[in-house]
Amino acid sequence: LAKTTQPISMDSYEGQEVNITCSHNNIATNDYITWYQQFPSQGPRFIIQGYKTKVTNEVASLFIPADRKSSTLSLPRVSLSDTAVYYCLVRDSGAGSYQLTFGKGTKLSVIP
Amino acid sequence: GAGVSQSPSNKVTEKGKDVELRCDPISGHTALYWYRQRLGQGLEFLIYFQGNSAPDKSGLPSDRFSAERTGESVSTLTIQRTQQEDSAVYLCASSLGLSTSGGETQYFGPGTRLTVL
Repeated sequence: LAKTTQPISMDSYEGQEVNITCSHNNIATNDYITWYQQFPSQGPRFIIQGYKTKVTNEVASLFIPADRKSSTLSLPRVSLSDTAVYYCLVRDSGAGSYQLTFGKGTKLSVIP
Repeated sequence: GAGVSQSPSNKVTEKGKDVELRCDPISGHTALYWYRQRLGQGLEFLIYFQGNSAPDKSGLPSDRFSAERTGESVSTLTIQRTQQEDSAVYLCASSLGLSTSGGETQYFGPGTRLTVL
């Protein structure tokens, strides 16, 4: 099974760049890596997705090394509103189903 | 267009009662997922519907849990004889459907907070 491992929590000051790394050693060839953001009392929200190398959108960047065994979500110049739980997600193709496996999430706290 | 909606937003029930939770996916989305999230925990996959295929029920924790979906529209998650450990937020998500490369994006509803007394 494609399992993910992330830091449980991170703290950052406003205006800093935050990098959250996720390990997924058993990622399958056809799997994509997706990151979601979740605020309290809300459902998760899609942030970014990638397969390899680097992907950038208006919210974040995603760095994936050649071996794809890890990925790093980069949030530039965080603000207080970026305080949330961030989930790393890979498709679990090994189980013979389309089940997606969420990591336990990283709770990011942005400090004024 | 409208996002994924769920109802009710909150449900309080007594132990032993049955509850029914509803999810309205985004129009045109063929795939629908149910997840459970206990307080302070990550998401647990429950069940997955893809078009008219047989659903993937591998995540359902017991036979007290069941779900149905009418075509590619509304889905209902039913929990029979509720127990206190069923208390959680139940999240529904929909997507356009998985490509062979698995690069689909799920869009989540706000969830239903279930409290079993």
